[in-house]
Amino acid sequence: KAGVTQTPRYLIKTRGQQVTLSCSPISGHRSVSWYQQTPGQGLQFLFEYFSETQRNKGNFPGRFSGRQFSNSRSEMNVSTLELGDSALYLCASSLGPQGASSPLHFGNGTRLTVT
Amino acid sequence: AQSVTQPDIHITVSEGASLELRCNYSYGATPYLFWYVQSPGQGLQLLLKYFSGDTLVQGIKGFEAEFKRSQSSFNLRKPSVHWSDAAEYFCAVGADNQGGKLIFGQGTELSVKP
Repeated sequence: KAGVTQTPRYLIKTRGQQVTLSCSPISGHRSVSWYQQTPGQGLQFLFEYFSETQRNKGNFPGRFSGRQFSNSRSEMNVSTLELGDSALYLCASSLGPQGASSPLHFGNGTRLTVT
Repeated sequence: AQSVTQPDIHITVSEGASLELRCNYSYGATPYLFWYVQSPGQGLQLLLKYFSGDTLVQGIKGFEAEFKRSQSSFNLRKPSVHWSDAAEYFCAVGADNQGGKLIFGQGTELSVKP
């Protein structure tokens, strides 16, 4: 079974631009969560989608948004990029809707660099 | 406030030696506990999880962890470390009413000496 696929793997953007990251979950998984990983803040939860609905949201500004499609694929968008948005963005999928008892399976991430 | 603390930022052990990575949590609800491992440039791989029942849980790659409610700890152990175990290890806590939202510790980087 294929794992979680994130595209692209690497991205370089300029301050003020916007970016869209894509995540394809494991087949049959209906929940997709997004995390930001930085050396200073570690792993921080962005949001979670289940059946095309946002189920949970972390403490990030409104510039960070996401959506989920009917095939469970998910995208996250960051508008008006700032230097501090440089990070590894990780997507994770799970069967859902069991919550934390359905473990997360992570993709390899998208490395975003903002210059 | 909910939090996970991994007191050791970096640990170095000799190949073949035993390993214990510490994790303490603060969580109001009954927690679900996880250990993940991350190799450079990779995502996170689940090593093991604790939901309920037996407080000693076995995971992949020969790892085990023990849940101690009285100490709010969930330490990861391995009796004999291999060079391929060098990676960063993350402890995380979640709950059913939090869905896919996990709170992660800052991670412990493990180096293995030959």
